[in-house]
Amino acid sequence: GNSVTQMEGPVTLSEEAFLTINCTYTATGYPSLFWYVQYPGEGLQLLLKATKADDKGSNKGFEATYRKETTSFHLEKGSVQVSDSAVYFCALVNTGFQKLVFGTGTRLLVSP
Amino acid sequence: DAGVIQSPRHEVTEMGQEVTLRCKPISGHDYLFWYRQTMMRGLELLIYFNNNVPIDDSGMPEDRFSAKMPNASFSTLKIQPSEPRDSAVYFCASTNRGRNTEAFFGQGTRLTVV
Repeated sequence: GNSVTQMEGPVTLSEEAFLTINCTYTATGYPSLFWYVQYPGEGLQLLLKATKADDKGSNKGFEATYRKETTSFHLEKGSVQVSDSAVYFCALVNTGFQKLVFGTGTRLLVSP
Repeated sequence: DAGVIQSPRHEVTEMGQEVTLRCKPISGHDYLFWYRQTMMRGLELLIYFNNNVPIDDSGMPEDRFSAKMPNASFSTLKIQPSEPRDSAVYFCASTNRGRNTEAFFGQGTRLTVV
């Protein structure tokens, strides 16, 4: 079946540090991959996506590259801000289906 | 479009009472999802609809849970009778048919059963 595995949190960083949140997936076919972000008290918002191998999704300084050979979609940001503190979810949707499969989420805490 | 609209935002009820959560998807979206989020279990898909028809309800935890989508612009998730372990944040999301389109989430309903 389809599944997503994310690194355990929380990830605690100082402002301006480099961020990596690991995500690997298992899927048949050619899934699309997503990163969602959830700020406190809010719903999930799409952060970025990639629909095919070697695509790079980017938004708000965050990037992730769809690596089919390693079945990974790691989230990176060169310099985090306090306002980036949130929970980040990696997800996939497989070809022909609309059901999103989510990872367990990784909480990011950024201190000044 | 105002996005996915859920109501109420917060619900506190006593054990044994019936609870109904409501969702209005984005106009033109033909898939609707209900998720439950707890600290212990994370984000769980309960059920999803396509063109108002339930496609997969395997995530519905018990017969106490039921969901309906009487038309393209409205869905309900009902819990009857409610129990304290149902306390969670319930999210509704919708998306378009089409390859690899992202889902749009509502703000959620925080349910507390006492």
